[in-house]
Amino acid sequence: AQTVTQSQPEMSVQEAETVTLSCTYDTSESNYYLFWYKQPPSRQMILVIRQEAYKQQNATENRFSVNFQKAAKSFSLKISDSQLGDTAMYFCAFFSGGGADGLTFGKGTHLIIQP
Amino acid sequence: DAGVIQSPRHEVTEMGQEVTLRCKPISGHNSLFWYRQTMMRGLELLIYFNNNVPIDDSGMPEDRFSAKMPNASFSTLKIQPSEPRDSAVYFCASSLGTGFNQPQHFGDGTRLSIL
Repeated sequence: AQTVTQSQPEMSVQEAETVTLSCTYDTSESNYYLFWYKQPPSRQMILVIRQEAYKQQNATENRFSVNFQKAAKSFSLKISDSQLGDTAMYFCAFFSGGGADGLTFGKGTHLIIQP
Repeated sequence: DAGVIQSPRHEVTEMGQEVTLRCKPISGHNSLFWYRQTMMRGLELLIYFNNNVPIDDSGMPEDRFSAKMPNASFSTLKIQPSEPRDSAVYFCASSLGTGFNQPQHFGDGTRLSIL
């Protein structure tokens, strides 16, 4: 079974700073997808960014980028020029398609952007 | 475009009562997932349907939980009898399929409180 670990329960940074959220996972699969989801206080889960395991190039979406280290099974999220609206829970998720085809999520990191 | 629609948004009931959570997936999506989110366990997959057929219900915690998908546009998650430890946020998600390139779209969730 796959596991996803987010080792930082909570992080707090000042507005406009850069912050990196860590995520590690464990799998025997060779091909899979990794995602970062954002969950603001409204509770709606929002897909932030995704990475295909077979791609070496790190995914980027505007201020969000990932550092994907496949050998180390690490998938960190970097948020540049953080904004107050970035305050939310961030979930790292793994998707392989084998067995139960749902996402395996980490428990989340609560990110607080301070004004 | 309408996203995944869940109802009710909030449910408060006394233990022992039957609870029914509802989900309408995005039109055209053929996969539907039920998740439960708690502080202790994070976001867990409960059950997954493909083309209205339950594929994997290994995440369903016990026999008190049941889920149905009578047609492509509707699913229910039922708890009978409910217990305080069932209190959680329940998410429904849908996707176009189980392929690697299809992210899951989540509903807003139902916050369930069992007193």
